[in-house]
Amino acid sequence: DQQVKQNSPSLSVQEGRISILNCDYTNSMFDYFLWYKKYPAEGPTFLISISSIKDKNEDGRFTVFLNKSAKHLSLHIVPSQPGDSAVYFCAATEAQGGSEKLVFGKGTKLTVNP
Amino acid sequence: DAMVIQNPRYQVTQFGKPVTLSCSQTLNHNVMYWYQQKSSQAPKLLFHYYDKDFNNEADTPDNFQSRRPNTSFCFLDIRSPGLGDAAMYLCATSRSRGQPQHFGDGTRLSIL
Repeated sequence: DQQVKQNSPSLSVQEGRISILNCDYTNSMFDYFLWYKKYPAEGPTFLISISSIKDKNEDGRFTVFLNKSAKHLSLHIVPSQPGDSAVYFCAATEAQGGSEKLVFGKGTKLTVNP
Repeated sequence: DAMVIQNPRYQVTQFGKPVTLSCSQTLNHNVMYWYQQKSSQAPKLLFHYYDKDFNNEADTPDNFQSRRPNTSFCFLDIRSPGLGDAAMYLCATSRSRGQPQHFGDGTRLSIL
């Protein structure tokens, strides 16, 4: 049973436009959420995170939004650049519960076209 | 640069022949993790160490073992690899609970 779901396996956007990657979760105990970016032949790289006490966190071109009532989070990339083309993984954990365990989604492959 | 290093990047072994994958870190992080990732799937946690405290996931096959001889190194031992164990194996570290994990580039394991 997948606790973290990324329902779009792929997304294609034009350079300069907004990319929106979505993630849903089922475990209400999750209280810390992360996005990772993965290029081919490399390991995932931490991108941005958000705690459940917030509904938005911004870092440069990247913004993560959290809707706890809907158990939904999204990553916005504005403006999108060709170098953003990668697989993006959503992950969640029970940080307050002292868990070290991250639960990952299957990823969304983003392609940014020049 | 501080980092997580996995060796080898590619490993080929025979069905049933034991294999060891290694991971080292220069971040001095307390927690080290091993994940298995199959094609188009989410990384799946196999086990992790919090310092020397070993934590096995309930659904990790007995075939998979791990050792952490010191803070810097962690090994994944697969005692009798089956064809279903072919995957990317990712090592990660984190400073402590609830902190972002830092990943190595992975070892792709093939079983002949």
